[in-house]
Amino acid sequence: QVQLQESGPGLVKPSETLSLTCTVSGGSISSYYWSWIRQPPGRGLEWIGYIYYTGSTDYNPSLKSRVAISVDTSKNQFSLKLRSVTAADTAVYYCAGTHNWFDPWGQGTLVTVSS
Amino acid sequence: EIVLTQSPGTLSLSAGERATLSCRASQSVRSSQLAWYQQKPGQAPRLLMYGASSRATGIPDRFSGSGSGTDFTLSISRLEPEDFAVYSCQQYGTSPWTFGQGTKVEIK
Repeated sequence: QVQLQESGPGLVKPSETLSLTCTVSGGSISSYYWSWIRQPPGRGLEWIGYIYYTGSTDYNPSLKSRVAISVDTSKNQFSLKLRSVTAADTAVYYCAGTHNWFDPWGQGTLVTVSS
Repeated sequence: EIVLTQSPGTLSLSAGERATLSCRASQSVRSSQLAWYQQKPGQAPRLLMYGASSRATGIPDRFSGSGSGTDFTLSISRLEPEDFAVYSCQQYGTSPWTFGQGTKVEIK
């Protein structure tokens, strides 16, 4: 059974870069596409982008200019970088297996943007 | 992008009652490429349905989905205590993939 776990700093300063990693266990990262999704406090979900193990990506146009998703197949991990963050980027960030729909999901990690 | 509008915002029902949740798209969702998720406080979303009407693995048959084009419905035939949660729809027919804002099913 595939499980995902997000890791990274819970606090990022405005204008800096948010960096998160998702570790895939119980299966190969070559099996699916992999996405990042976020949820601001009390609000709905927003798809950020996905990556395939080959490195092929697709991003939400609303974030495309600031986002990069990468994959490390040797570590069974994929990562998110979001540049020039503001308070509006404060959210719970989830990683998820992607078949067009999302399953399974990591437990999520809260990232707060504040000085 | 396709905007998904869910209604009602909150549904107050008792255990044993039927729940009917709506998800309306701003334009047609290609090939009924719509999923539903359940989310409880402090937890990640859980996939319930995909392809508008296919149940995900392990989802009980009291959950059913229907619809096509711009109008989709998630039904829960008889609410169990563990079904009180927030439900969100998601379309994956057109990039960027988008979610509805969610419907909260609460205990009356």
